Amino acid sequence: DAMVIQNPRYQVTQFGKPVTLSCSQTLNHNVMYWYQQKSSQAPKLLFHYYDKDFNNEADTPDNFQSRRPNTSFCFLDIRSPGLGDAAMYLCATSRGGGAGYGYTFGSGTRLTVV
Amino acid sequence: AQSVTQLDSQVPVFEEAPVELRCNYSSSVSVYLFWYVQYPNQGLQLLLKYLSGSTLVKGINGFEAEFNKSQTSFHLRKPSVHISDTAEYFCAVSLPIGDYKLSFGAGTTVTVRA
Repeated sequence: DAMVIQNPRYQVTQFGKPVTLSCSQTLNHNVMYWYQQKSSQAPKLLFHYYDKDFNNEADTPDNFQSRRPNTSFCFLDIRSPGLGDAAMYLCATSRGGGAGYGYTFGSGTRLTVV
Repeated sequence: AQSVTQLDSQVPVFEEAPVELRCNYSSSVSVYLFWYVQYPNQGLQLLLKYLSGSTLVKGINGFEAEFNKSQTSFHLRKPSVHISDTAEYFCAVSLPIGDYKLSFGAGTTVTVRA
C-alpha cells in the first residue's frame, strides 16, 4: 500500500544534542509537510516543500531545519533540542494544487528531550 | 487568514448514543473544510471533506458533516458511536487555490463509555 512512513516512532534525545527525524513516502506526492503537535494541542505547521521549493512558516524557530534530497524522503533536523521541543512530529504529503486533493499523514515520531 | 474554532474541547458520550462535534470557521473567501481523527499515538486520518456541491458530506466510519455557509459552520455527527470512536477529532480549513496548507482547530476529545 502506498503510504507515509516515519522513523523512528519514538525518539529520545539529550538536551542540546542534534536529532534528525525521517519521513518517506511511496505516493509520489509533490508536497511534503512537517507539523509539530504538543500534548493536547492542534498540529502546527513548521514548513513544507513543494517539489524542491522550501517554505518556512514565519514563526518556525531557527533551531528547526529540513532537507528533501529527493521526492520520496524528507528530514527534520533539530539542531539543539530544548525541553520545549518535546512533541509529536507529523509528516504529511499531498499532491500539488491544494489541500483539497487530501493530505496523507504518517504515524508520527514522538520526541522526548531529557 | 482563515481559521477554525472547535467549540467543545471534550465530549463524553455513551456507546450507541449520537454525537455532534461543533466547528466554526472564519474566512473572507471560500474555503475547503475537513475533519480528521487521531487515535492515541497515531497520525491523522481523514474522515471527510467539503470542497463544493452538496452541503451534506458523508465520510468513513459512519460520520457525516453539514456545511452551513450562513452560519460558517461544519459540524460533525454520528448517529450511534462505538467504543472504538474514542479519539481526538480535528476540524481543519484550507484555501481552495494558491495555498496548500491546512490550519487545524484545537481538537475535540471524544470519550465513549459503555
